[in-house]
Amino acid sequence: TQLLEQSPQFLSIQEGENLTVYCNSSSVFSSLQWYRQEPGEGPVLLVTVVTGGEVKKLKRLTFQFGDARKDSSLHITAAQPGDTGLYLCAGGGSGGSNYKLTFGKGTLLTVNP
Amino acid sequence: NAGVTQTPKFQVLKTGQSMTLQCAQDMNHEYMSWYRQDPGMGLRLIHYSVGAGITDQGEVPNGYNVSRSTTEDFPLRLLSAAPSQTSVYFCASSYGGAPGVAGNTIYFGEGSWLTVV
Repeated sequence: TQLLEQSPQFLSIQEGENLTVYCNSSSVFSSLQWYRQEPGEGPVLLVTVVTGGEVKKLKRLTFQFGDARKDSSLHITAAQPGDTGLYLCAGGGSGGSNYKLTFGKGTLLTVNP
Repeated sequence: NAGVTQTPKFQVLKTGQSMTLQCAQDMNHEYMSWYRQDPGMGLRLIHYSVGAGITDQGEVPNGYNVSRSTTEDFPLRLLSAAPSQTSVYFCASSYGGAPGVAGNTIYFGEGSWLTVV
């Protein structure tokens, strides 16, 4: 079973601060996705990265896929209360199949006004 | 556009009872899947389907059955509910098949909260 370890598990910061969330594995994935989930709702896909070393930016969010495609990071600049939520990473290509996504346990982010 | 619709939103079952969680999507997506989300465990894949008449097992399939008779619907059946199946269940769908491929956005429903007592 391929595992994705997310850190930190919990993060509470003040509005305006920067933060980085990590997603690490000993296995290689063909793709890495990041989701945000709000209470009572399903996860919403933020980005998919597929190339080692790839960097994608989505407004104040920067996503990076490790060179070896085993790890990824999500960096948020100048966090806002609206960024509060559960951030999940998911690896594609689990067991050799892109039909199965392997999820990390998530990072619960709270941004205080 | 309703997206992915799950019913019921909340359900309480007694051990041994059976029930079906319904999932419907109106986006003509080929790929559909069911996940369960438990505290401290993340989302785990139960079953998935790549098209009508085609289903396959995920990471935690035991105790669950699925079928895919139409493109739109992908019900999840619990034949004999157990307390270990208390969880939040999410249905998801994506266009073009594999959700792990760049360009294929996967859409999740809002979840079904199931408690087995």
